[in-house]
Amino acid sequence: DSGVTQTPKHLITATGQRVTLRCSPRSGDLSVYWYQQSLDQGLQFLIHYYNGEERAKGNILERFSAQQFPDLHSELNLSSLELGDSALYFCASSVQGSPLHFGNGTRLTVT
Amino acid sequence: GNSVTQMEGPVTLSEEAFLTINCTYTATGYPSLFWYVQYPGEGLQLLLKATKADDKGSNKGFEATYRKETTSFHLEKGSVQVSDSAVYFCALLYGGATNKLIFGTGTLLAVQP
Repeated sequence: DSGVTQTPKHLITATGQRVTLRCSPRSGDLSVYWYQQSLDQGLQFLIHYYNGEERAKGNILERFSAQQFPDLHSELNLSSLELGDSALYFCASSVQGSPLHFGNGTRLTVT
Repeated sequence: GNSVTQMEGPVTLSEEAFLTINCTYTATGYPSLFWYVQYPGEGLQLLLKATKADDKGSNKGFEATYRKETTSFHLEKGSVQVSDSAVYFCALLYGGATNKLIFGTGTLLAVQP
């Protein structure tokens, strides 16, 4: 158990809809990262938050947004969903300079 | 830019065979290097790491040596088991404010009894 908790495990929704994925980092970790894993793109870095502030953006679409709350949990919001957004979304957390610890992911299916 | 290249899979081996999964990297500066493993239906787990040249990371019988001269971090195991079947990801971490991990494409290992 990595200590990183992601909910829900599975999400099925229709095109055009909006969903929110949630991540609770390991106790004491100030950094939260979001990654998207799909068959054709592999593991893609989306965004990094540190102690509530956005630190870096990767290949994140404008339809996607994230935030990190004062209790350090994070949410990834995906809107105007398309079939191509179907993927596994992973959250990871770390202490600065240490390896990332990953949650078990949320599998999103857009129909 | 920074990137990681892994050998394409799948790699199919018989139990007790020797495993090598090649990984090379391109990076400015001196990144840390990692191998992560993903078992079916699970998230990524850190397998081993090396933070500077000539370091050897090891865990659960797996080893990888950080070779600066060849910019490589190949994963090896002397005798694989069926339970090692998983996807293996090589990754580099370049520091600074982002502390961002860059992954290779992953290599599927299938070990047959």
